Amino acid sequence: NAGVTQTPKFRILKIGQSMTLQCTQDMNHNYMYWYRQDPGMGLKLIYYSVGAGITDKGEVPNGYNVSRSTTEDFPLRLELAAPSQTSVYFCASSYGGSSYNEQFFGPGTRLTVL
Amino acid sequence: RKEVEQDPGPFNVPEGATVAFNCTYSNSASQSFFWYRQDCRKEPKLLMSVYSSGNEDGRFTAQLNRASQYISLLIRDSKLSDSATYLCVVNINFNKFYFGSGTKLNVKP
Repeated sequence: NAGVTQTPKFRILKIGQSMTLQCTQDMNHNYMYWYRQDPGMGLKLIYYSVGAGITDKGEVPNGYNVSRSTTEDFPLRLELAAPSQTSVYFCASSYGGSSYNEQFFGPGTRLTVL
Repeated sequence: RKEVEQDPGPFNVPEGATVAFNCTYSNSASQSFFWYRQDCRKEPKLLMSVYSSGNEDGRFTAQLNRASQYISLLIRDSKLSDSATYLCVVNINFNKFYFGSGTKLNVKP
């Protein structure tokens, strides 16, 4: 099993450009999450999904959109990129159903907006 | 006020030392608690969950104090390989996880 995979690994965007960060998991997990981590800070939840077709906002959703058309994929869309969105983005998944389920993280996407 | 607060460190300790980290959380309705480990420029990985009665996994011991709303992690006999950032994580409302900023540990030879 590959676990959670993310693409791209790195990306530089210009202000106002758009892009989609891809996330795929092969563990048949119901729950998926998107986080951002700014330097020296903890992770902040952007969006999460409890299953295909169901998404909800996390702590910092502004400037982002998500979709969940399949169990495996949970892309994150950035519209009109801004310098404040420079960060490392982590996708995670968990089996769900229990508050003690472990989250498995992808390797991250390092995004710079100039 | 932050949901989860940690001392950022760094904690610089020699090999073999015992080191303890604390973490406080603000929401008394928090349901579950974790310690994750994050190596430099890598993704977080679960170190251990923290249960109400406290739990141990080898050299690592986690404690939860719900009345005072804090969580602790004790590492005994520190190894060079323990050098990392340790993230305190709190789950609120079942689906939402809040991460502390992390405590950096440097274990020196």
